Amino acid sequence: AQSVTQLDSQVPVFEEAPVELRCNYSSSVSVYLFWYVQYPNQGLQLLLKYLSGSTLVKGINGFEAEFNKSQTSFHLRKPSVHISDTAEYFCAVKPDQGAQKLVFGQGTRLTINP
Amino acid sequence: GAVVSQHPSRVICKSGTSVKIECRSLDFQATTMFWYRQFPKKSLMLMATSNEGSKATYEQGVEKDKFLINHASLTLSTLTVTSAHPEDSSFYICSARGFSTATYGDTQYFGPGTRLTVL
Repeated sequence: AQSVTQLDSQVPVFEEAPVELRCNYSSSVSVYLFWYVQYPNQGLQLLLKYLSGSTLVKGINGFEAEFNKSQTSFHLRKPSVHISDTAEYFCAVKPDQGAQKLVFGQGTRLTINP
Repeated sequence: GAVVSQHPSRVICKSGTSVKIECRSLDFQATTMFWYRQFPKKSLMLMATSNEGSKATYEQGVEKDKFLINHASLTLSTLTVTSAHPEDSSFYICSARGFSTATYGDTQYFGPGTRLTVL
């Protein structure tokens, strides 16, 4: 079975500052990794995903994440945040074999202050 | 590409009535669709997984007779909340997984969600 831990439930950051949202996972098999963003009263939007290849993945809205297999981490980063980045961010994993379900972390609330 | 729609976006109903929520994959065929429930300030809770043309697989603790799921085609799945009660009030989100892993990389795409309020 897989599990995902998002270490911070809330992250307040000033506008234009860098941010890192942490995600660690546990799995006995190889996995695919995802970051989703949820704006208030909306569904989830895919930010980026790691399936294979380069461990540094670039996504939409200037976000990127790095897959670190030895540390079983997939932290999300952005060098300079905007007010519009205020949202809930979810990390998720799925085994790379078989039609199994996504396992989500608890979510991190990113709040950008002016 | 990979757009998923849900209808309605918001619904208010009286206790005891049934409500149907539609989920459509607009520009791809979804062999598998998922239904989630999200409580305020919480993560997503998977309710059930449905494959086109077959019965849905429900997660433990989810009443299949209360939450009826139909996946009649490769682009449409419906969730019907039967005899709704106030405790069923929640944000329901559907998700679809594309047929072609080469194109979609086994990725789930999510709909915008449906806010259900049962009075």
